[in-house]
Amino acid sequence: GQNIDQPTEMTATEGAIVQINCTYQTSGFNGLFWYQQHAGEAPTFLSYNVLDGLEEKGRFSSFLSRSKGYSYLLLKELQMKDSASYLCAVRDLNTGFQKLVFGTGTRLLVSP
Amino acid sequence: ETGVTQSPTHLIKTRGQQVTLRCSSQSGHNTVSWYQQALGQGPQFIFQYYREEENGRGNFPPRFSGLQFPNYSSELNVNALELDDSALYLCASSPHRQDGTEAFFGQGTRLTVV
Repeated sequence: GQNIDQPTEMTATEGAIVQINCTYQTSGFNGLFWYQQHAGEAPTFLSYNVLDGLEEKGRFSSFLSRSKGYSYLLLKELQMKDSASYLCAVRDLNTGFQKLVFGTGTRLLVSP
Repeated sequence: ETGVTQSPTHLIKTRGQQVTLRCSSQSGHNTVSWYQQALGQGPQFIFQYYREEENGRGNFPPRFSGLQFPNYSSELNVNALELDDSALYLCASSPHRQDGTEAFFGQGTRLTVV
């Protein structure tokens, strides 16, 4: 089966750093994605990891450990506009086609 | 903006009715996936279309069906609507490659069943 776990809610202060963790269990792992979703809007792509290690893109970084089934999204120099839900998704190829399996999302609230 | 467009943006239907949602995929993308996102939840995979054929399906009943057209646009049809079908329906297009290319989501259709 597939299981994606991430915290439901996190709070942080403007200018700070926050780390959102994601653990997963899947038999057909072929990459992990992080998406940002503002309320009522579509998810927008943030990052992709398929090999172990850290991928950095501006203020956002994402880390993957395949042996541990673990990833995190690191957001630096937080801004108010970063208040959103952050979705961890695993691409599953076990069934012969690619689909994304999403966690429930982590709602991040950035306060002044 | 991703280049994936969905219509309509909002829709209200009565229980038992049927609904059709539409999606135009990004240029060059031949694979379309549909997801259902209930309030406070992550998107759940409904099914995927590739070359006008259903390529894979999630845990949704047969009253959820779809089509893909030669121009790669797609429709999601839901029959016999139930109150629990109220959700944001997302369409995602991608190239049919198993690499790092992410799926691009449309803005979604907010369906309310009353």
